[in-house]
Parts: sequence; structure tokens; C-alpha cells
Amino acid sequence: DIQMTQSPSSLSTSIGDRVTITCRASQSINYDLNWYQQKPGKAPKLLIHTASRLQSGVPSRFSGSGSGTDFTLTISSLQTEDFATYYCQQSYTYPYTFGQGTKLEIK
Amino acid sequence: EVQLVESGGGLVKPGGSLRLSCAASEFTFSTYFMTWVRQAPGRGLEWVSTISSSGTYRYYADSLKGRFTVSRDNTKNSLFLQMNSLRAEDTAIYYCARDIYTYNDALGAFDIWGQGTTVTVSS
Repeated sequence: DIQMTQSPSSLSTSIGDRVTITCRASQSINYDLNWYQQKPGKAPKLLIHTASRLQSGVPSRFSGSGSGTDFTLTISSLQTEDFATYYCQQSYTYPYTFGQGTKLEIK
Repeated sequence: EVQLVESGGGLVKPGGSLRLSCAASEFTFSTYFMTWVRQAPGRGLEWVSTISSSGTYRYYADSLKGRFTVSRDNTKNSLFLQMNSLRAEDTAIYYCARDIYTYNDALGAFDIWGQGTTVTVSS
């Protein structure tokens, strides 16, 4: 199975900060990497698919980049509603796998 | 409104069985790959199973070891997960989710999610 490793596991940040979350795959997954946001008690929400394609309705402050084994999710200017947990997920091959999550907390 | 609604969760004893359902509405269910994802209390997301639009192809997490079976009824816009020989570690919220694209363009990215149904395995 492909292992997905996110860093950091948690991050204390402030409104307006630029935030970068990293996701590394244990083998090359081309561009088959998706990012989700999850708030407490809610279902995950798709933010970005295929490494860098912004899902419809997602604010443009979210962006994704990377290919192969290394990927990043960037939030250009953190807003109050962005405090949540973020997951990467590879869809290159079954079994699909998620990263362990990155929790953004208010500093 | 495009929607997925799960049901069938509950409390079950170790070794027991449970059948989860996911009802789809306001989209052409038969054209989408569908997936189950679970989340144990306080833990991250875990992919469980995916079924192709026609139901021909089914994929499972290795950890399930043949205990779970995914199926669908396209005439009733419904997705199912039959869970047998349940263990304490199967305790989780189970979400059904829709692939972002249809048919063979399926990406393995999930754009529509249900609210989840809770399964608790305990004696």
C-alpha cells in the first residue's frame, strides 16, 4: 500500500498567515493527489483534486502543487473559517490512502 | 439538492453483522463510482471500499480481510455496505461519498459526502 505522510501534524497559526501543509507519498503517484478539509462533527469537503485543481466553490486562497511524491497545500491568507483539519489522499491506485491529517489551531 | 444520506448504523456486539445503506438523490447515481470512508473516534479518515458505476468492480481496504461487502442497487439509487464479523476496531463513523466524475473518468476524488452513520462494536 502507498503510505501518505503529512507534516506538520498540527500547526498554531493566526488570521492572515500564509500556511503550507506538506504531503509525501511512499512512491510516485503522479498528480493523483487530493486535499480535503474537515471541521468537527462534519463530513470532509473536497478542496483540491489532481494535485492542483481547485474544486468548484472553494476560495482561491487555497492552492495545491506538486507531483510524484511531494505535494503541498497552501492557504495564502488564513481566515477564521479555515481552522480545521486537512487531509491528503492518493487516488493513484487501490487501496486509496489518506494522510494522518494536519490540524490548524488558532495561536 | 445533490445529497447522500447514510443509515443503518448502531450498536452491535463483537462478531455481529450490520448493513449500512446510503440513499442518493438529485443526481444520476448509476453513472458514478461510489465509496465508503470511515473515521474512528478521534482518528483520521480511512478508505474502506469503492464500487464502480455498474457494480462490476469492487475494491476493498486490505485490513477488512473479506469481512465487508460493498454493493449497489442503481434502480433504487442506493449503496450498501454489508459488514460481518465486526470487531471493536470497526467502531467508526461511516461515510458514503461520490466520485467527482462519472464512469471511466472517475478520479478517486470525492466531491459529495453524506453526514455519516455511527457504528459501535461493543459487548
